[in-house]
Amino acid sequence: DADVTQTPRNRITKTGKRIMLECSQTKGHDRMYWYRQDPGLGLRLIYYSFDVKDINKGEISDGYSVSRQAQAKFSLSLESAIPNQTALYFCATCRTGGTDTQYFGPGTRLTVL
Amino acid sequence: GQQVMQIPQYQHVQEGEDFTTYCNSSTTLSNIQWYKQRPGGHPVFLIQLVKSGEVKKQKRLTFQFGEAKKNSSLHITATQTTDVGTYFCAVHNFNKFYFGSGTKLNVKP
Repeated sequence: DADVTQTPRNRITKTGKRIMLECSQTKGHDRMYWYRQDPGLGLRLIYYSFDVKDINKGEISDGYSVSRQAQAKFSLSLESAIPNQTALYFCATCRTGGTDTQYFGPGTRLTVL
Repeated sequence: GQQVMQIPQYQHVQEGEDFTTYCNSSTTLSNIQWYKQRPGGHPVFLIQLVKSGEVKKQKRLTFQFGEAKKNSSLHITATQTTDVGTYFCAVHNFNKFYFGSGTKLNVKP
């Protein structure tokens, strides 16, 4: 969905480096989510946020941190990247009181060497 | 957390054949959602079911929610090459979404 953008789209980095993935949305949604996708495992929730001051851990938050800088922006950081964090990362948005529909960004393919 | 098991993992069909993917849970679900992800793309919401025994149709796609609300299915009639992709079920529970592992559909022309 073009209303949800992610940068960068692709990134190759080395073990131990700090990486930030950014997500922006123009849908006016209050809820934002970060997922990682690995082959055969579906999408797993890393962190989610319902408001600028609200941050919640998902299923697999270890090794990740997030920042909700504004309602429209939600960033995911890997403080010290490791190879098993190589994956496809998706940001998604949803509106409280809406139809529970999630709108996904185009994804960021991250490779950690 | 909530777990939903999805089968099969892969399905290869000839164009024109039907396709079904199943999503199962050991616990009662409050709702079930279905998403489609085209190759190289991102998940796109298809539908949400909330009622016991609910059946909804979208053209050639039929979605069902079991009477006990522990399983759901997505059936595609007469597949086309445009149906290629991975289909995911997901559950929205306690403010989180839990996804099945997906069924990857390949359609041979």
